[in-house]
Amino acid sequence: NAGVTQTPKFRVLKTGQSMTLLCAQDMNHEYMYWYRQDPGMGLRLIHYSVGEGTTAKGEVPDGYNVSRLKKQNFLLGLESAAPSQTSVYFCASDTGGYEQYFGPGTRLTVT
Amino acid sequence: AQTVTQSQPEMSVQEAETVTLSCTYDTSESDYYLFWYKQPPSRQMILVIRQEAYKQQNATENRFSVNFQKAAKSFSLKISDSQLGDAAMYFCALLDSNYQLIWGAGTKLIIKP
Repeated sequence: NAGVTQTPKFRVLKTGQSMTLLCAQDMNHEYMYWYRQDPGMGLRLIHYSVGEGTTAKGEVPDGYNVSRLKKQNFLLGLESAAPSQTSVYFCASDTGGYEQYFGPGTRLTVT
Repeated sequence: AQTVTQSQPEMSVQEAETVTLSCTYDTSESDYYLFWYKQPPSRQMILVIRQEAYKQQNATENRFSVNFQKAAKSFSLKISDSQLGDAAMYFCALLDSNYQLIWGAGTKLIIKP
C-alpha cells in the first residue's frame, strides 16, 4: 500500500515548455486534489475531482489543466510554463470530508 | 468567502513545555470540519487532529488537543510535553461544503532543546 505517489519529485522547466505531473493513489478514493504551496503561504487548491471522469476548478486554476481518466490517477498539466508557476505541487486524495492523504510533493522551477 | 487566519508566523517553545498555536476562521456554514496539519522539513503533510463543528467536545490525540470556540470562530492547537520531533510548520484548515480545504498561512514551530 503506497498511499499517494507523485511523479516526478523535482523538475526544472524553461518558460513556455509544457509538462505533466502524475498523481496516483491506491486507496480507492473518489476525491483527488491538486494544490500548490508557495513560500509563506498555505496550500491553494488548483483543481479537484470528485470521481473518475470529473474535474472542477479550485481557487487558482489559470494556466493548469487536469484529467481523471482512471479513478486512481489524477494528472496536472502545464501547457506553457511561466515563472509564476514555480512552486511545490501537492496531490491529495480522500473519501470526501474525513482526512486528505497527501503525496510527497513535486518541486517545480520555471526559469 | 471562507477564510482561515494564523496570526503567528513563528513560535518557539522549550522542549517538554506546552505551546499553543492560534487559528481563527470565518464561515457562514453551520456544519463544517477543522483540521490541524503538520509539515516537517521532509515536506510530507501529516494530519495532527480533526474537529467536527457539531461536536462540543474538544478533540484530543495524545499530546495534541484543541480549544474549539465555535461562537468566536477560534480553533487553537495545544501541544503538551513538546518534543524535538514536533518542530515543523503547522497549518490550520477548514473543510467547506464542497469538500475543499481552505488553508491558513502556517505557523513555524521551533523546539529549543
